[in-house]
Amino acid sequence: NAGVTQTPKFRILKIGQSMTLQCTQDMNHNYMYWYRQDPGMGLKLIYYSVGAGITDKGEVPNGYNVSRSTTEDFPLRLELAAPSQTSVYFCASTLTSGGGNEQFFGPGTRLTVL
Amino acid sequence: AQRVTQPEKLLSVFKGAPVELKCNYSYSGSPELFWYVQYSRQRLQLLLRHISRESIKGFTADLNKGETSFHLKKPFAQEEDSAMYYCALRGGSQGNLIFGKGTKLSVKP
Repeated sequence: NAGVTQTPKFRILKIGQSMTLQCTQDMNHNYMYWYRQDPGMGLKLIYYSVGAGITDKGEVPNGYNVSRSTTEDFPLRLELAAPSQTSVYFCASTLTSGGGNEQFFGPGTRLTVL
Repeated sequence: AQRVTQPEKLLSVFKGAPVELKCNYSYSGSPELFWYVQYSRQRLQLLLRHISRESIKGFTADLNKGETSFHLKKPFAQEEDSAMYYCALRGGSQGNLIFGKGTKLSVKP
């Protein structure tokens, strides 16, 4: 049981390049989330999904896209990288949205846009 | 607006001293409050949740709705407690967490 896995761990992009951050969970969780964490700040929600085929915007969605074709995978797409997207990205999942359920986090992807 | 405030960026104590990491929240309904911890080179993990009223690794946290606080306490700090601690609030049907900025706890020998 690997939990939540993310690839890559590190990436350097040039302005205008595109990339996909991969996230996979093997716990059969319905809810999945993408957060970003800027230095000295808390995590902020980018996008979330409540099940396969269903996604919605979070607090800071601009410049990103997501898809959820399977329960396990929730990739985050950056189309035109900008320096403001330099951050650490965390994927998380949970079984249900309430009841004190724990969110399980991936190890993070550190992205630098130059 | 939903918000979590952790007023201390850094808290430094000596081993054996009591620890209190402060957390205040703003939420109009009945919130779910959590403490997450991130040890060096490890992923973010749940430490405890208010709904369970549990003690984990000697840490406790009591939800005080009157003061809108959820402070994390431990009577005797250990060096292995050194880590980043995040207070988080879950509200709304989408289940996402709203995080504070975190407090770095440093326990000196």
